[in-house]
Amino acid sequence: KNEVEQSPQNLTAQEGEFITINCSYSVGISALHWLQQHPGGGIVSLFMLSSGKKKHGRLIATINIQEKHSSLHITASHPRDSAVYICAVRFFRGGSNYKLTFGKGTLLTVNP
Amino acid sequence: DAGVIQSPRHEVTEMGQEVTLRCKPISGHDYLFWYRQTMMRGLELLIYFNNNVPIDDSGMPEDRFSAKMPNASFSTLKIQPSEPRDSAVYFCASYQGGSGGYTFGSGTRLTVV
Repeated sequence: KNEVEQSPQNLTAQEGEFITINCSYSVGISALHWLQQHPGGGIVSLFMLSSGKKKHGRLIATINIQEKHSSLHITASHPRDSAVYICAVRFFRGGSNYKLTFGKGTLLTVNP
Repeated sequence: DAGVIQSPRHEVTEMGQEVTLRCKPISGHDYLFWYRQTMMRGLELLIYFNNNVPIDDSGMPEDRFSAKMPNASFSTLKIQPSEPRDSAVYFCASYQGGSGGYTFGSGTRLTVV
């Protein structure tokens, strides 16, 4: 079964702390996405990864294909980072497959 | 580009009524997706199109749901008849094959009473 697991489900941090959110998946993938959703808001794509590491501002995403695991890190967290972070994968099915399977999301709250 | 445009933003309807949700993808994007988000099940793919052709509709819950994409700039998701369990936020997203991220619309919050 193609599954995506995220941890933790909920995370509370103090402003300035280093944050890590984890995502693991069950079988081979062609790509992994990290998405951000603010309360009551739309969904924004943060990163797409198929290998290695990507960085954008204070956000860093890494993926280990062998271990079927990805992490999203936030350095120097800020209250405006408070949101739900969602991991989504494209499972490899041969040929082109653009269907995303989503984790349940991690609710991050950063307190001032 | 104005991004992916969905309408309406909010819809409240009575059980049994027909509901039509609309989506305009980003120009040049050849993939269009309809997703549903609920507290219980999170985000789920309903259907996606490539070059206006439905590719995977395995997520469409039942015959009450239908989706069309008559041209590259417009898609609809229709529910007839609607039921309270259809209450959710429905997102449309578009993607250009071979590129990076998906672009999501702002969503339509549907409430069926």
